[in-house]
Amino acid sequence: ILNVEQSPQSLHVQEGDSTNFTCSFPSSNFYALHWYRWETAKSPEALFVMTLNGDEKKKGRISATLNTKEGYSYLYIKGSQPEDSATYLCASPLDSNYQLIWGAGTKLIIKP
Amino acid sequence: EPEVTQTPSHQVTQMGQEVILRCVPISNHLYFYWYRQILGQKVEFLVSFYNNEISEKSEIFDDQFSVERPDGSNFTLKIRSTKLEDSAMYFCASSAYGNTEAFFGQGTRLTVV
Repeated sequence: ILNVEQSPQSLHVQEGDSTNFTCSFPSSNFYALHWYRWETAKSPEALFVMTLNGDEKKKGRISATLNTKEGYSYLYIKGSQPEDSATYLCASPLDSNYQLIWGAGTKLIIKP
Repeated sequence: EPEVTQTPSHQVTQMGQEVILRCVPISNHLYFYWYRQILGQKVEFLVSFYNNEISEKSEIFDDQFSVERPDGSNFTLKIRSTKLEDSAMYFCASSAYGNTEAFFGQGTRLTVV
């Protein structure tokens, strides 16, 4: 069974500080790694879909890296702002049927 | 831009009643999902659906729940004999394939009284 794990479970960060958190997944039979941001009372929003080892993607102050050989991805937020407060979810397809297996999420709280 | 739509946006139901939450996924997508978030808690996966059948379901998705794609466009979640603890935000999502991003609807807030 494929397990996608995220750490930490929650994170409090001072406004203006940079932060990062981790998504771990089995490195065998890798297909893709997804990152989503889920703000309270809103629907989840896709941030990145990464497929290649060493891939790095960036959207504004948010970036992500991917290491498929060791089975982890980091999400970085530079200069955290209150609007970054959300739960960040990662997910990876189970197998060639591409059923997404989701991590439990990292809840990020930005303190003003 | 294509989007996933969910109806209703808010549903209030009496405990013990049955509810049907409706979703219209993006038309060329092949994979469909239901998630829920109880207020203040984490996102919970309920079920995924592909090729007109359930491909995966969580422990939450017991006999009280069922999903259906009745007409090739709608994707419904039925909750029988609702309980107070079923009150949550229910999100539908769809994706073209598993290695493409999932698009989420705006959610249905279910309140069981």
